[in-house]
Amino acid sequence: NAGVMQNPRHLVRRRGQEARLRCSPMKGHSHVYWYRQLPEEGLKFMVYLQKENIIDESGMPKERFSAEFPKEGPSILRIQQVVRGDSAAYFCASSPGGGRGANVLTFGAGSRLTVL
Amino acid sequence: QKEVEQDPGPLSVPEGAIVSLNCTYSNSAFQYFMWYRQYSRKGPELLMYTYSSGNKEDGRFTAQVDKSSKYISLFIRDSQPSDSATYLCAMSITGANSKLTFGKGITLSVRP
Repeated sequence: NAGVMQNPRHLVRRRGQEARLRCSPMKGHSHVYWYRQLPEEGLKFMVYLQKENIIDESGMPKERFSAEFPKEGPSILRIQQVVRGDSAAYFCASSPGGGRGANVLTFGAGSRLTVL
Repeated sequence: QKEVEQDPGPLSVPEGAIVSLNCTYSNSAFQYFMWYRQYSRKGPELLMYTYSSGNKEDGRFTAQVDKSSKYISLFIRDSQPSDSATYLCAMSITGANSKLTFGKGITLSVRP
């Protein structure tokens, strides 16, 4: 029973390039969350998605960042025209949704983005 | 004032010590409280999950929530070198389908 799968684990981009991070939730989970962890900082919420819907994007920067969770395939976090300040670990988490306890998240191992 | 404050650490203790980790928060709407453990270069994993005030025990770990003081704690008894990790508190307003707000995390080192 695979957990939350993220790829790539490490990504290096030059300033101005695009970064695409992928996340496959745990089997049976239909809710996906993206968090960003900067050095010496805690995890910061970015976006919460269900299949084909963005539920809460209050933590997403207004420009250059977008996320999707299509009907088929993994969730994608896309960062356009990356800048050095985007260098961070990006974690995806999933939950089954539903009643109380559904906010217990299972995290992936993260994708570490380095912008040169 | 940040929504969730966590002692910055780092914290170093000898093996066998009792460890106390704490977080305070400002948003009285938080009702669900969690502790995650994160090993270096790994994703966080859930350690403890509690709803509202009270204590919860699981093996060597005890989580306490005091909503009147907006204060939560994690106690680790008989600490082991394998407990060396970063510990993050997290909380949410609802129990379903909502984002978690995390503390910064504290790095614990247990010396053999």
